[in-house]
Amino acid sequence: KAGVTQTPRYLIKTRGQQVTLSCSPISGHRSVSWYQQTPGQGLQFLFEYFSETQRNKGNFPGRFSGRQFSNSRSEMNVSTLELGDSALYLCASSTTPGNTIYFGEGSWLTVV
Amino acid sequence: LAKTTQPISMDSYEGQEVNITCSHNNIATNDYITWYQQFPSQGPRFIIQGYKTKVTNEVASLFIPADRKSSTLSLPRVSLSDTAVYYCLVGDTVRWMDSSYKLIFGSGTRLLVRP
Repeated sequence: KAGVTQTPRYLIKTRGQQVTLSCSPISGHRSVSWYQQTPGQGLQFLFEYFSETQRNKGNFPGRFSGRQFSNSRSEMNVSTLELGDSALYLCASSTTPGNTIYFGEGSWLTVV
Repeated sequence: LAKTTQPISMDSYEGQEVNITCSHNNIATNDYITWYQQFPSQGPRFIIQGYKTKVTNEVASLFIPADRKSSTLSLPRVSLSDTAVYYCLVGDTVRWMDSSYKLIFGSGTRLLVRP
């Protein structure tokens, strides 16, 4: 069974731009959550989606948004990028919220 | 929400057994304990999960005492490739009904295996 797939793997953006990251969950998994990981802050929860609905959100500004499609695939978007948004963005999926989550390899975002 | 506490770092040598303990004093009745391994620039990888007593798989063992206020991940005969950050996480499948519930990762334990 294929794991969680995230694209792109690496990307470089300029301050002020926006970026969209994509996540395909494990087949049969309907819950997708997103995390930001930086050396200083560790793994921080961004948001979780289930059945195309955002059911929970972490303490991030409104520039961070996401959505989930009917096939459970998810995207997250960051607008008006700042240097501090440089991080590893991780997507994780589970069958339903609260069940064991499995992570993708992440998308490395560098903002210059 | 159960908070976890782990040692920041540990050192070991190849071939030794490594035990990493995680404290979760306010673990709830329905909480499971899950451990993840993360290599640099990669996503965390599921290692093992348990509820009580002992769980063993091909990679590790998880020991959970009766009061469940702590758990110990045991890695037998570590190799250099086991150098990674290990996260302990507690959560359950019941409280997902609460939309304010979210999984919180601690700082993890940085394990360094030396030759």
